[in-house]
Amino acid sequence: NAGVTQTPKFQVLKTGQSMTLQCAQDMNHNSMYWYRQDPGMGLRLIYYSASEGTTDKGEVPNGYNVSRLNKREFSLRLESAAPSQTSVYFCASSGRTGRNQPQHFGDGTRLSIL
Amino acid sequence: AQKITQTQPGMFVQEKEAVTLDCTYDTSDPSYGLFWYKQPSSGEMIFLIYQGSYDQQNATEGRYSLNFQKARKSANLVISASQLGDSAMYFCAMRELGGQFYFGTGTSLTVIP
Repeated sequence: NAGVTQTPKFQVLKTGQSMTLQCAQDMNHNSMYWYRQDPGMGLRLIYYSASEGTTDKGEVPNGYNVSRLNKREFSLRLESAAPSQTSVYFCASSGRTGRNQPQHFGDGTRLSIL
Repeated sequence: AQKITQTQPGMFVQEKEAVTLDCTYDTSDPSYGLFWYKQPSSGEMIFLIYQGSYDQQNATEGRYSLNFQKARKSANLVISASQLGDSAMYFCAMRELGGQFYFGTGTSLTVIP
């Protein structure tokens, strides 16, 4: 009963390094999302994928890229990490049909950029 | 304009009392969904309650109820009989027709013994 699984849980990077955050869901959901959470800012949408094969920019996409590898997996890539990208990153998924489908969240990835 | 507004950065409530957390939203979609999530200090996001824009009745889930006032575009969360374990951040969210979710900045609730 895994739900949404994010890896890694913690990561420290140096400025300029690249990395990919992985996310997988086992609920057969169509939609997947990447958020960042900063103190006092709530959750801000980075990218989302309404269905397999599609991705769209959210509120704060600069500095990030995403790949919807298949229906289960949605990865977030930082090509050249910057200290401003220090944050907690959440992946989420939801069913496509009906406005009553809540999002299910992973446990988050705490990312620090030095 | 903000899609979701939570105007209470922090709230305190006495144990066993009820508390209302405010949320207003902005949308032109006739069909939308409203959600509340709880984030304890451990960090996970927990779905609490849902209200659909066409629902006639206010949603309830155990000690949680949603005071939905469509004309005022408000969807306040009411927690009855507060418990120490209710201390957490609470986020209001909305899902529009296109499927995108919008979150408020959250309210930090502290339950005082």
